[in-house]
Amino acid sequence: GQQLNQSPQSMFIQEGEDVSMNCTSSSIFNTWLWYKQDPGEGPVLLIALYKAGELTSNGRLTAQFGITRKDSFLNISASIPSDVGIYFCAGPGNTPLVFGKGTRLSVIA
Amino acid sequence: NAGVTQTPKFRVLKTGQSMTLLCAQDMNHEYMYWYRQDPGMGLRLIHYSVGEGTTAKGEVPDGYNVSRLKKQNFLLGLESAAPSQTSVYFCASRGLAGYSSYNEQFFGPGTRLTVL
Repeated sequence: GQQLNQSPQSMFIQEGEDVSMNCTSSSIFNTWLWYKQDPGEGPVLLIALYKAGELTSNGRLTAQFGITRKDSFLNISASIPSDVGIYFCAGPGNTPLVFGKGTRLSVIA
Repeated sequence: NAGVTQTPKFRVLKTGQSMTLLCAQDMNHEYMYWYRQDPGMGLRLIHYSVGEGTTAKGEVPDGYNVSRLKKQNFLLGLESAAPSQTSVYFCASRGLAGYSSYNEQFFGPGTRLTVL
């Protein structure tokens, strides 16, 4: 089946630093989604990408749909303590979404 | 508009006991899903439904059953709980293709289950 590989698995950064994470797929996707899960909560959609090469921003977050359609990137600029959580990439499977295992972000004030 | 709700929020079971987790959505979504989340494993799909009266197996269906008797509800049952089913369970729903939010899946707040 389709698999998504996210990297890094975890990150410890200083407040104010920029963050980059990525996700690669074993097959072509026509949609890429990025979710964030706050501690003790369910995942919430951050950004949806629908076209190869697309670059979309949501505040300090920017995500890109790779031109090969097999990868996607998420950048967070000027991190703040509330950015702490797990970031998941997801793409369409045959019917349900396929999720990566997540990147756990810790921000040190 | 409550979105996706789950009951209960927490539950402790003994091995062999049974229970049902309830998921409800008020967005008129066709698709509903049950996931489990374990440390380092991400979100793994247990079962899903593409419409009222339908169910299908996901990645890790063993030990679970589901029912979708009403469009707005999706029930997850554990007939004989085992310690390996200790996890956090998330329900999610999604609308049909053709809506602007296709593939945007909304999650509930989760149920934390411990099986002793």
